Amino acid sequence: DTAVSQTPKYLVTQMGNDKSIKCEQNLGHDTMYWYKQDSKKFLKIMFSYNNKELIINETVPNRFSPKSPDKAHLNLHINSLELGDSAVYFCASSQMGAGELFFGEGSRLTVL
Amino acid sequence: AQSVSQHNHHVILSEAASLELGCNYSYGGTVNLFWYVQYPGQHLQLLLKYFSGDPLVKGIKGFEAEFIKSKFSFNLRKPSVQWSDTAEYFCAVNPPGGYNKLIFGAGTRLAVHP
Repeated sequence: DTAVSQTPKYLVTQMGNDKSIKCEQNLGHDTMYWYKQDSKKFLKIMFSYNNKELIINETVPNRFSPKSPDKAHLNLHINSLELGDSAVYFCASSQMGAGELFFGEGSRLTVL
Repeated sequence: AQSVSQHNHHVILSEAASLELGCNYSYGGTVNLFWYVQYPGQHLQLLLKYFSGDPLVKGIKGFEAEFIKSKFSFNLRKPSVQWSDTAEYFCAVNPPGGYNKLIFGAGTRLAVHP
């Protein structure tokens, strides 16, 4: 049973389109995250939600909008996609204070 | 700027060789430290973590890491690598007051040849 699951795993789209990535965790954690891994494998945090409240919002273009309908789900919507948005987006979850993050398998976004 | 540095970007070893990957961080105060591994095409998995106590931490698959506070370091070691250890290794720090916000190093790509 997958602990942190993301859909879709692969997404190929044209510049200017709008797309969403969904994430769900069944670990009972109260905190969820979105990380972006670029082509050089560098991982950078984008957002974090704790019990549906935004607690971390790094310097990310406002074309990116996260939404957490409940503490088990965190979605990422991206408007007006650009070439530079091509990356692997990882969702993660943790229990606040526990430190360790559990990662999903990633969603590879390719913008043409 | 505060950061996490991994000195080796690409390491190539033969099977049975010993491994040490460097990690330094620049955050003051109490930090939590992690090493994650990413096998080709897969997600990140935790190898080991340090929160407090014994600075020598043992993880899965024979890996260990040593926290040296005076050097702001958390180096990863394995006495004898296997071909299956070929992967990308990431050091990460949860800085003080960080809301569980893990800051990752740039990663070290390890290739083990049979």
